[in-house]
Amino acid sequence: QVQLVQSGAEVKKPGASVKVSCKASGYTFTDNFIYWVRQAPGQGLEWMGWINPNSGGTKFAQKFQGRVTMTGDTSISTAYMELSRLRSDDTAVYYCAREGGFCTSTSCAWYFDFWGQGTLVTVSS
Amino acid sequence: SSELTQDPAVSVALGQTVRITCQGDSLRGDYASWYQQKPGQAPVFVIYGKNNRPSGIPDRFSGSRSGNTASLIIIGAQAEDEADYYCNSRDSSGKHLGVFGGGTKLTVL
Repeated sequence: QVQLVQSGAEVKKPGASVKVSCKASGYTFTDNFIYWVRQAPGQGLEWMGWINPNSGGTKFAQKFQGRVTMTGDTSISTAYMELSRLRSDDTAVYYCAREGGFCTSTSCAWYFDFWGQGTLVTVSS
Repeated sequence: SSELTQDPAVSVALGQTVRITCQGDSLRGDYASWYQQKPGQAPVFVIYGKNNRPSGIPDRFSGSRSGNTASLIIIGAQAEDEADYYCNSRDSSGKHLGVFGGGTKLTVL
């Protein structure tokens, strides 16, 4: 069965960096994009970006450009998200999710069919 | 600001039907997907495509689309359906960027 298992909770000081891992199993890691989504306390889901594990290509939401790095290690089927220059408003649960999708002649359907359990990152002095 | 707009809160009487909507220009092209999230849990994928349910999702959940509006419909809402619901799509730029709606808190009365 498909599983995404994330690394444990982190506490960081402002200005530091954090690296969260997401280990995939139960499918071919290079077949699907991995997305990163975060959720601040009491807030909604926020799309951060994705990595194509097959090519290493990435794309990020504009607000994270210059601060986020997404990488993958195909030898261990693991994706990583590193966020630098942390601020207090980066305190959130960070999720990885696998993208699936298909297109018909008229429309496409994209979805996140499996999610990691989430990693709480707390930024506090 | 989000390119997908959802009502912040909706309520439904137990056993009745509720529609949760999501509006955005990108929905004229690609279909939305829908996620249920309960407190302290990761989101769960409930609807995708024209009207498809992943395995394990009850058939009281369905989806539809009209113009720039996607809907999640729950026929015969149960107490366990009380949760936050989010829609998602790629944004309208065509650049493979994603966007979530702001979420709808569903209360089952």
